[in-house]
Amino acid sequence: GNSVTQMEGPVTLSEEAFLTINCTYTATGYPSLFWYVQYPGEGLQLLLKATKADDKGSNKGFEATYRKETTSFHLEKGSVQVSDSAVYFCALSEIGTALIFGKGTTLSVSS
Amino acid sequence: EAGVTQFPSHSVIEKGQTVTLRCDPISGHDNLYWYRRVMGKEIKFLLHFVKESKQDESGMPNNRFLAERTGGTYSTLKVQPAELEDSGVYFCASSQGSRSSGNTIYFGEGSWLTVV
Repeated sequence: GNSVTQMEGPVTLSEEAFLTINCTYTATGYPSLFWYVQYPGEGLQLLLKATKADDKGSNKGFEATYRKETTSFHLEKGSVQVSDSAVYFCALSEIGTALIFGKGTTLSVSS
Repeated sequence: EAGVTQFPSHSVIEKGQTVTLRCDPISGHDNLYWYRRVMGKEIKFLLHFVKESKQDESGMPNNRFLAERTGGTYSTLKVQPAELEDSGVYFCASSQGSRSSGNTIYFGEGSWLTVV
């Protein structure tokens, strides 16, 4: 079946550091890939998405590229801020089916 | 356009009581999903409606949980009787489910349930 594996956290960085959160997936079809974020005390928000191979999703300085050859969708940001502290979830879904989430990676950014 | 809305946003109940969570999906979205995140762990799928039909309920943990979507609009998730381990955040989500929409699934703010 389909699955998502993302790096274990927590990830602790200083402000302006470079961020990478690894995510790999297993899928039988051609899924769409997503990164969701949950800020402290808030709901789940879509951060970015990519619907086909080689697509790059981007939002708020975050980027992720859909790599079919390596079945990966790693999240990157060149310079993190304290306000980026949150839990990040990699997810996949195929048309009309439920999202499958990774376990989540907690990011803590200090000033 | 209104997003996915959930009610209540927070609920504290005693063990053995009943709680009903409500979700209003984005208008026109046939697909409605329930998920939960318990004790800060991973987000687990509960079930998936297509209109008023249960497409997949493989994630429902036990028969204390009952989900309905009468008329294919809003949905309710009832927990009866609630147990301590049911505490967590219950997310509702919806999608059009069409390839043209990119299959994006939109989440509500969550209903935070605490069972004491």
